[in-house]
Amino acid sequence: DTAVSQTPKYLVTQMGNDKSIKCEQNLGHDTMYWYKQDSKKFLKIMFSYNNKELIINETVPNRFSPKSPDKAHLNLHINSLELGDSAVYFCASSPTSLEQFFGPGTRLTVL
Amino acid sequence: ILNVEQSPQSLHVQEGDSTNFTCSFPSSNFYALHWYRWETAKSPEALFVMTLNGDEKKKGRISATLNTKEGYSYLYIKGSQPEDSATYLCAFTDSWGKLQFGAGTQVVVTP
Repeated sequence: DTAVSQTPKYLVTQMGNDKSIKCEQNLGHDTMYWYKQDSKKFLKIMFSYNNKELIINETVPNRFSPKSPDKAHLNLHINSLELGDSAVYFCASSPTSLEQFFGPGTRLTVL
Repeated sequence: ILNVEQSPQSLHVQEGDSTNFTCSFPSSNFYALHWYRWETAKSPEALFVMTLNGDEKKKGRISATLNTKEGYSYLYIKGSQPEDSATYLCAFTDSWGKLQFGAGTQVVVTP
């Protein structure tokens, strides 16, 4: 019954590693997003995909690359992880540009 | 640059009291204004989406108003209860579909 799911929920890794976070929605929505919650708890949009195509790509390091194999999935791949990448990452989906449904978040810790 | 501003940053309310707080946003290129409720260790949950100037929405003891001409929205909580304790986020979508969240108003309701 989970609407928007993310895996893993927690991710602890070493600096320099490459890691991926997966997101899946079973709501039939066309648009999916990735957000980063920074140290001040502020929610900042990173990427938005509509029907598998990138429509928003905010200023994020190119070490971050979203991948959408189909419109129900939007995965986030991060290369060469840095200490500053430690944060909670939220995936969300939306039927339009309106109400968004958020996943439970993935807490990434880079050591 | 944070174009969406929320005030106050935090507030403490006695159980049973009513309260309200503000979200201000750019009055040009308006498309939608969203309110979300975000409890600690959970993901944001949509409360309202408003698109028309003068819109008023209500959900139980929580209501919101929208003034797109002057660029502000109020969220009201009537008869606050401890379970209303959360961070309330507003988000603005412009006519190009760009979404920006405010930093939130943290509400603590004490018995």
